Amino acid sequence: AQKITQTQPGMFVQEKEAVTLDCTYDTSDPSYGLFWYKQPSSGEMIFLIYQGSYDQQNATEGRYSLNFQKARKSANLVISASQLGDSAMYFCAMRPYTDSWGKLQFGAGTQVVVTP
Amino acid sequence: DTAVSQTPKYLVTQMGNDKSIKCEQNLGHDTMYWYKQDSKKFLKIMFSYNNKELIINETVPNRFSPKSPDKAHLNLHINSLELGDSAVYFCASSQDVGWGGSGNTIYFGEGSWLTVV
Repeated sequence: AQKITQTQPGMFVQEKEAVTLDCTYDTSDPSYGLFWYKQPSSGEMIFLIYQGSYDQQNATEGRYSLNFQKARKSANLVISASQLGDSAMYFCAMRPYTDSWGKLQFGAGTQVVVTP
Repeated sequence: DTAVSQTPKYLVTQMGNDKSIKCEQNLGHDTMYWYKQDSKKFLKIMFSYNNKELIINETVPNRFSPKSPDKAHLNLHINSLELGDSAVYFCASSQDVGWGGSGNTIYFGEGSWLTVV
């Protein structure tokens, strides 16, 4: 069974600073996808970034980048130049590609508050 | 245009009632899902359909019954609602069941807040 761990329940970050959200995962699947989602206070789940287990390079999407360390089974999200609108809950998720019909499983989330 | 839309957004109902949540996606995806987010914000898959066929059925009380009339729609019907059913229910969709690649990203609707009183 897969397990996703986000050890930071909450964190404060100042506007314009970078923040790293930790995520480790445990899987025996050789092929999988890693995802980050953002859930603002309004409640919707917004897809941010994807990293495939066989991708050689770390994924980047605008101010979001994923620090993927396969051997350590970690997929940390880095948000550069934080903005007030980045205040939200952030979820790390993993989807195996070889069994379990690719169920997307989530970590417990990290609440980020960006302060002026 | 909303990619994955679900209605209603808010639903307050009494114990014992039956209610439905509807979901539609206009992304042309083959696979749709229902996820439940509990009061601690934990998200868990409930069901998944691929081209109208049920492919994932987690350990969910059989009071919950999904129905997919076509691959763009997946509805969730809940019978005999209980207090513990209060949660946010998310509909989602993806291109495929999960055979690899960013094209299998799962996109979520805005959620339906169900409160059972």
